[in-house]
Amino acid sequence: DGGITQSPKYLFRKEGQNVTLSCEQNLNHDAMYWYRQDPGQGLRLIYYSQIVNDFQKGDIAEGYSVSREKKESFPLTVTSAQKNPTAFYLCASSISSWETQYFGPGTRLLVL
Amino acid sequence: RKEVEQDPGPFNVPEGATVAFNCTYSNSASQSFFWYRQDCRKEPKLLMSVYSSGNEDGRFTAQLNRASQYISLLIRDSKLSDSATYLCVAIDMNRDDKIIFGKGTRLHILP
Repeated sequence: DGGITQSPKYLFRKEGQNVTLSCEQNLNHDAMYWYRQDPGQGLRLIYYSQIVNDFQKGDIAEGYSVSREKKESFPLTVTSAQKNPTAFYLCASSISSWETQYFGPGTRLLVL
Repeated sequence: RKEVEQDPGPFNVPEGATVAFNCTYSNSASQSFFWYRQDCRKEPKLLMSVYSSGNEDGRFTAQLNRASQYISLLIRDSKLSDSATYLCVAIDMNRDDKIIFGKGTRLHILP
């Protein structure tokens, strides 16, 4: 089945720890995106990548980092510099930049 | 900051009724618009793209009014399974904040 997957479903982070969220797609999409959603809030763009080996900051990139070494994969690292990381993280992809986006099932990150 | 605004609801609507949502956007240069639905604790799923000419998919109709800067979603003959949060999205590729999601409108269909 073609689709976009995220893992893990739930992730716990200790203070001062970096954690990496996985996002994989087999839709042959060029563009990929990371969002965070807080309760009662709209999605906010963290980073996006229009093509392999290229990515740009979104609205709230501070405390996060990404890589795009392969077309299929766009992992997000939540660093210790992100002081309020508890949120629902959603990855999306689209066939090309800013076309219709399809979302993965999300990862819930909780701080211990 | 440019915004996309939606009535948060909740809208409590009896099954079979027609329900309409509006979403206003403040960036007149926005080029693309979408409606997504999001079930509780799940990812958003694309419902419809929105075009100036309007588009219809079964019981769902979406309209774009550029002059008044709003998009609408109409759901006819509502079903219990329509209960969800509906997110409005506007995209302007020429701005730094390229994509803006509304906070969503919650819909509860009552049996």
